[in-house]
Amino acid sequence: GEDVEQSLFLSVREGDSSVINCTYTDSSSTYLYWYKQEPGAGLQLLTYIFSNMDMKQDQRLTVLLNKKDKHLSLRIADTQTGDSAIYFCAERGTGGGADGLTFGKGTHLIIQP
Amino acid sequence: DAGVTQSPTHLIKTRGQQVTLRCSPKSGHDTVSWYQQALGQGPQFIFQYYEEEERQRGNFPDRFSGHQFPNYSSELNVNALLLGDSALYLCASSAVGPTLGYTFGSGTRLTVV
Repeated sequence: GEDVEQSLFLSVREGDSSVINCTYTDSSSTYLYWYKQEPGAGLQLLTYIFSNMDMKQDQRLTVLLNKKDKHLSLRIADTQTGDSAIYFCAERGTGGGADGLTFGKGTHLIIQP
Repeated sequence: DAGVTQSPTHLIKTRGQQVTLRCSPKSGHDTVSWYQQALGQGPQFIFQYYEEEERQRGNFPDRFSGHQFPNYSSELNVNALLLGDSALYLCASSAVGPTLGYTFGSGTRLTVV
């Protein structure tokens, strides 16, 4: 079955880059997503990547996809205290649009001053 | 432009009771998906509704049912509540087609006592 794995915690210093990693098992995944969840809030879509892409950059965010290894990463440049949150990796299959997302358990990003 | 609206924000129910959660999708979206997020976990897909029909279902028992109305809003019903049903229930809306835009609401926090 489908599975998405992430490290539970990542601690970085303010101003450094954060790299959050994710592995997935469904080779038929079409889109892969990164969501951010702040305490008591819903999910905010940060960025996404098509499965036929290797990299996508959006301001401070860089997504890298290694389809052969089924590995996805999110790099946040110049990490700020406002980036402190839980980051979820999610994949979408090929159900013709009628497909739910499969999420990892989330990575808690902790910012040290 | 209102995003996804969910009600109520918090709810406390007793074991064995029934509960109904409500969701209004983002303007322009016609597909609604429901997710259950237990404490410390990633969201899990419950089901998705489009054109007032359930299109896909995750691994949830029949106690979980839903409905979509002609205005695209949706309800999630859970019967015979168990303590393990305590979670944050998230609604996500999207538009049919090769779109990537799953917009999540802030969720309903259900506590079963």
